[in-house]
Amino acid sequence: GNSVTQMEGPVTLSEEAFLTINCTYTATGYPSLFWYVQYPGEGLQLLLKATKADDKGSNKGFEATYRKETTSFHLEKGSVQVSDSAVYFCALSDQRGAGSYQLTFGKGTKLSVIP
Amino acid sequence: EPEVTQTPSHQVTQMGQEVILRCVPISNHLYFYWYRQILGQKVEFLVSFYNNEISEKSEIFDDQFSVERPDGSNFTLKIRSTKLEDSAMYFCASRGSLVGAGELFFGEGSRLTVL
Repeated sequence: GNSVTQMEGPVTLSEEAFLTINCTYTATGYPSLFWYVQYPGEGLQLLLKATKADDKGSNKGFEATYRKETTSFHLEKGSVQVSDSAVYFCALSDQRGAGSYQLTFGKGTKLSVIP
Repeated sequence: EPEVTQTPSHQVTQMGQEVILRCVPISNHLYFYWYRQILGQKVEFLVSFYNNEISEKSEIFDDQFSVERPDGSNFTLKIRSTKLEDSAMYFCASRGSLVGAGELFFGEGSRLTVL
């Protein structure tokens, strides 16, 4: 079955540091890959996505590239801010037909950015 | 901005009691989901709902669970007789028919604590 493994947290960084959160996956077929973010007290929000190999998703300074050869989708940001403190979830999709659709999530990585 | 809302934000219940978690999906969305996250574990798919019926459910979603869309706006998850292991954060999500793959919109979650 499908699975997602992401870097264990928590991760604590100083403001303006470089961020990498590793994510690898196991899937049959050609899934789409996603990063979701959960800010304190809020729901899961889609941060970025990539739907095929070598696609790069980007949003709010975050980037991730769909690497089929290494089955990875690592999240990166060049310079983090305090406002990036949140829990980040890597996920893959499994389209099984209209209305029958699942996301498989990783455990989540908590990021804390200190001034 | 349209959002998915969930109530209650936190519910404490005794083992064996019935619990209903409520969700108001985004108004023009057609696909509805429940996920849950046990503390420290992965976000897990429970059930998807489309066209007034369950389209897919996971092994977790046994006979103790049921979902309903009683009117045009609410989507509920009922746990008939709660167990200690049902303690988790429950997330409702919805997706519109024209939204790209994987773009689920999540609520803030309902934390269920079973004593």
